[in-house]
Amino acid sequence: EVQLLESGGGLVQPGGSLRLSCAASGFTFSGYAMSWVRQAPGKGLEWVSAITSSGGTIYYAGSVKGRFTISRDNSKNTLYLQMNSLRAEDTAVYYCAKILRNKYMDVWGKGTTVTVSS
Amino acid sequence: QSVLTQPPSVSAAPGQKVTISCSGSSSNIGNNYVSWYQHLPGTAPKLLIYDNDERPSGIPDRFSGSKSGTSATLGITGLQTGDEADYYCGTWDNSLSAVVFGGGTKLTVL
Repeated sequence: EVQLLESGGGLVQPGGSLRLSCAASGFTFSGYAMSWVRQAPGKGLEWVSAITSSGGTIYYAGSVKGRFTISRDNSKNTLYLQMNSLRAEDTAVYYCAKILRNKYMDVWGKGTTVTVSS
Repeated sequence: QSVLTQPPSVSAAPGQKVTISCSGSSSNIGNNYVSWYQHLPGTAPKLLIYDNDERPSGIPDRFSGSKSGTSATLGITGLQTGDEADYYCGTWDNSLSAVVFGGGTKLTVL
């Protein structure tokens, strides 16, 4: 069964850092681009970042560029999101998603919650 | 303010049909494929439609998608109470070099 399991969420103070992980199973992780998408309380889905299968090309939303870093370890079947200089507006449920044919997200995890508050 | 524009809410009775629109521009919908997602808060979003009008295996044919110019539409027929959820359109934006989503549409089955 294809599965994505996010972890690493929690409560962090403004200006702090957090690293999210997404463990993939049931498919050849190294063959697919991956993405992070978030949903703030009461808001819609917001795309955060994406990385190609090899990690050679990376994209970020303007709202996180320069603060967040996406990476992957294909030997561990794991996707990461390093989040620095966190702000209250980064409070959200963070989902990782598998990207199929570089066009759409066909498998999603259940999410991990990040709360930025003092 | 989302790059793609969706109505905040739609509603219809069980068994009826509903459509959800998604409006964009030439930098996104006009030149890229559209996908649609169903999301119940607290759960994993689900892919409903890809490549404008294709359904993944396991998605019933009550769900359909279409695209014309810079707009796309999700259609749901034979509405069921279990269809109550938030629905999002998404695509790539060539100017932003980013994935963009609509603001989401809450479907209520009365």
